[in-house]
Amino acid sequence: TQLLEQSPQFLSIQEGENLTVYCNSSSVFSSLQWYRQEPGEGPVLLVTVVTGGEVKKLKRLTFQFGDARKDSSLHITAAQPGDTGLYLCAANSGYALNFGKGTSLLVTP
Amino acid sequence: GAVVSQHPSWVICKSGTSVKIECRSLDFQATTMFWYRQFPKQSLMLMATSNEGSKATYEQGVEKDKFLINHASLTLSTLTVTSAHPEDSSFYICSARARGGARTDTQYFGPGTRLTVL
Repeated sequence: TQLLEQSPQFLSIQEGENLTVYCNSSSVFSSLQWYRQEPGEGPVLLVTVVTGGEVKKLKRLTFQFGDARKDSSLHITAAQPGDTGLYLCAANSGYALNFGKGTSLLVTP
Repeated sequence: GAVVSQHPSWVICKSGTSVKIECRSLDFQATTMFWYRQFPKQSLMLMATSNEGSKATYEQGVEKDKFLINHASLTLSTLTVTSAHPEDSSFYICSARARGGARTDTQYFGPGTRLTVL
C-alpha cells in the first residue's frame, strides 16, 4: 500500500488568504485524486490528475501533479469560509482508494 | 452526476446488537463496492471490497465475521456490524465503482452512515 503524506494536517486562515496543501509519497502514481469532505458527509471528488507536470484549475483551486508523479499540491486563492473542510488526496490501490490523512482547513470570516 | 445512497444516515444502537447499513448505486451498475471506516479527525480506511455475487475481500485487521458484507446485486451492497460494541462507533462510508459507459472505473462515494454504539 502506497503511503500518502499530507501536510499540513491542520490549517486555520482568514478569508482572503492563499494556501497550499501538499500530498507526497515515495511511490509513483498512475493518477492521483483530490477530494473535499465536509463533516458528516462523504468525500466529493474535486479533480483527478494523470500526467506528470499537469496543472488543473477549478475556479480558485489549482491542482498540480509533480513531474515524477510522486507528489501533488492543491493551492487555494483567496480562500472563503465555504472552502472549510477536510481535503484528502488519494491514489488507487488496486481498484480501491488509499487516502492520505487529510488536511483540515478552517477559513474564518 | 452519479448518485450513491446509504441507509440509514445515522443509527444508535445498544451494545451487543447488530446493525445493517445499505449502500445503493441509484443510476448506474457497480461492478465493485467498497466499504470504508472513518474515525473522528482521521482519514478514510478501507475495510473491504465486495464484488457482486462473490465473497468480499477484507483488509488486514478487519474481522470478516464481525463485519458481514453482502453484495446481492449490481446496485446494492450491505454491511452488517454484528454484536456491535462502543469501539465500533464510527462513520461508515461506501463507494461504488461504475461499470460500463463513460463512468467506467470511476468511483462514487455515498454520504456515509454515523454509527453510535451505547
